[in-house]
Amino acid sequence: KQEVTQIPAALSVPEGENLVLNCSFTDSAIYNLQWFRQDPGKGLTSLLLIQSSQREQTSGRLNASLDKSSGRSTLYIAASQPGDSATYLCAVSGGNQFYFGTGTSLTVIP
Amino acid sequence: GAVVSQHPSWVICKSGTSVKIECRSLDFQATTMFWYRQFPKQSLMLMATSNEGSKATYEQGVEKDKFLINHASLTLSTLTVTSAHPEDSSFYICSARDDGRGTYEQYFGPGTRLTVT
Repeated sequence: KQEVTQIPAALSVPEGENLVLNCSFTDSAIYNLQWFRQDPGKGLTSLLLIQSSQREQTSGRLNASLDKSSGRSTLYIAASQPGDSATYLCAVSGGNQFYFGTGTSLTVIP
Repeated sequence: GAVVSQHPSWVICKSGTSVKIECRSLDFQATTMFWYRQFPKQSLMLMATSNEGSKATYEQGVEKDKFLINHASLTLSTLTVTSAHPEDSSFYICSARDDGRGTYEQYFGPGTRLTVT
């Protein structure tokens, strides 16, 4: 069974700092990997989707990479802002199965 | 495009009653829909997967007689929590996928907060 792990579980950084969130998965047979943001008590906001054939995706200050062979993905956030504070989840799709990571709680300090 | 709505956004019910949660895809055909639950400070756990017109496939440990799922059309799936108990209190999130797109991307609803008293 696919296991998805995110490190660190919590991260606190000063505003303006660049940061990297990590996601690892045990089974490289995936269709895609998706990064989400979740604010407290809210649903999920999709940030980036990387298909299995792709290496990275970019959207604004966000850049996500995927290395299927090593079972890793990173989410890079440039010039962090207090509004980036949220829980970030990665999820991998193995067809009908969608496995979520444990999440990283990010706090950006003004 | 690819918007998914849920209704209600929050609900409080008494123990022993049933609650129905709706999940709708607003601008695409949801050939497959998924239901998740999330406990505080935990990640999402898949409860069941449903295809339009077929019976839902439940994950191990999820009681199908307690969590009734109906995917009657390509835009609507419902989750009914029967004889709810306080331990069913949770955040329920649905997602939908258009299998015709071939991307396996899921689009998530905003979630429903259920509190059973």
